[in-house]
Amino acid sequence: EPEVTQTPSHQVTQMGQEVILRCVPISNHLYFYWYRQILGQKVEFLVSFYNNEISEKSEIFDDQFSVERPDGSNFTLKIRSTKLEDSAMYFCASSQGRGQVAKLFFGSGTQLSVL
Amino acid sequence: QQQVKQSPQSLIVQKGGISIINCAYENTAFDYFPWYQQFPGKGPALLIAIRPDVSEKKEGRFTISFNKSAKQFSLHIMDSQPGDSATYFCAAGSGTYKYIFGTGTRLKVLA
Repeated sequence: EPEVTQTPSHQVTQMGQEVILRCVPISNHLYFYWYRQILGQKVEFLVSFYNNEISEKSEIFDDQFSVERPDGSNFTLKIRSTKLEDSAMYFCASSQGRGQVAKLFFGSGTQLSVL
Repeated sequence: QQQVKQSPQSLIVQKGGISIINCAYENTAFDYFPWYQQFPGKGPALLIAIRPDVSEKKEGRFTISFNKSAKQFSLHIMDSQPGDSATYFCAAGSGTYKYIFGTGTRLKVLA
């Protein structure tokens, strides 16, 4: 079964540093998403991306965050200046389309630790 | 209005028993209600989903019951197995896939 792949699986960084989390969505999917999960808490929506632009974002997704689809396969999340509270598991997801029959597929996540 | 409340926080069930997890939502604009299963170190995986035009959906041992008037939905796992031990999240969405997730239920099925 096709899957969403994320790299790296773990990322440790110093506060204030920039990080880029990478994702390869399922090849025929058109919609891409980032979610995050702080340890022991619920999964939270960050941003959705379609047709090379952000379609929706949450209040968590402030100016420190950006997303990009630099080529035909990768989808990245950049955190410009990391804060301690950015420590979380970040999940990339993709879906083939919108609407009630489309399914959201999640990757295995990148565990980001900000020291 | 955007919250999805999930209970219980944790659940222990004997092998062969029925596991029941409940969720309640507030926003009547939600029109898609998936359940996700998450094993440690893995991303959430879609288990089963329901639309509000039906009251029940069954796939194998997993059943979603949906009560539109009460704005509640629940997951029933029949004949629970140790391999079902995982964290289960309900979610609600309205076509944009900006899912609002519940807080999760950690299920442990005893052998």
